Amino acid sequence: DAKTTQPTSMDCAEGRAANLPCNHSTISGNEYVYWYRQIHSQGPQYIIHGLKNNETNEMASLIITEDRKSSTLILPHATLRDTAVYYCIVRVRVRAGGTSYGKLTFGQGTILTVHP
Amino acid sequence: EPEVTQTPSHQVTQMGQEVILRCVPISNHLYFYWYRQILGQKVEFLVSFYNNEISEKSEIFDDQFSVERPDGSNFTLKIRSTKLEDSAMYFCASTPWNLRQGVREQYFGPGTRLTVT
Repeated sequence: DAKTTQPTSMDCAEGRAANLPCNHSTISGNEYVYWYRQIHSQGPQYIIHGLKNNETNEMASLIITEDRKSSTLILPHATLRDTAVYYCIVRVRVRAGGTSYGKLTFGQGTILTVHP
Repeated sequence: EPEVTQTPSHQVTQMGQEVILRCVPISNHLYFYWYRQILGQKVEFLVSFYNNEISEKSEIFDDQFSVERPDGSNFTLKIRSTKLEDSAMYFCASTPWNLRQGVREQYFGPGTRLTVT
């Protein structure tokens, strides 16, 4: 799976949008971009994923550049509860009968601190 | 909303003892995983399990570790003879599968904190 690079930490004011960047310049065509977060040693929580199109769900938006070498996770209105470590993970598309079974390789992530 | 559950939340054991960590994955999921996180370090993959057998494992998952799905609902991780360095949070995860996307996002349990003394 491709390697990702994220800033070590970021700050955001409550109510403002948090934009978390991720670089994955070696991504290949069959790899998805996944975002997870971990709030204070709880289990990682799935946020969103995408292949090449921008995606939005109730938690966040994912913007993937046209060349797919980087992406940005957007939390539109950050709250104090969004303070967490955010992980950008690139993972190969897994098909039944394939040789990969979907393991996630976590890096250090970005520590996002939302302050009042 | 269905969720992955894990028991116990905290397990304290003496070095050399066997421990079994239990997980109940989400009921219609097909792929199951164990990860661990040593305090202050990254989340690390241990093993994946599909169709009642191990499909992939990491270097960490040596002969001291085993997994089992004994009754179609529980998914267990056993450590035969615990070492001090096995102290960590252990997370179970499960994931659904669909024809279009293949293996999808993983849903994690709250974790079991294992302390080996």
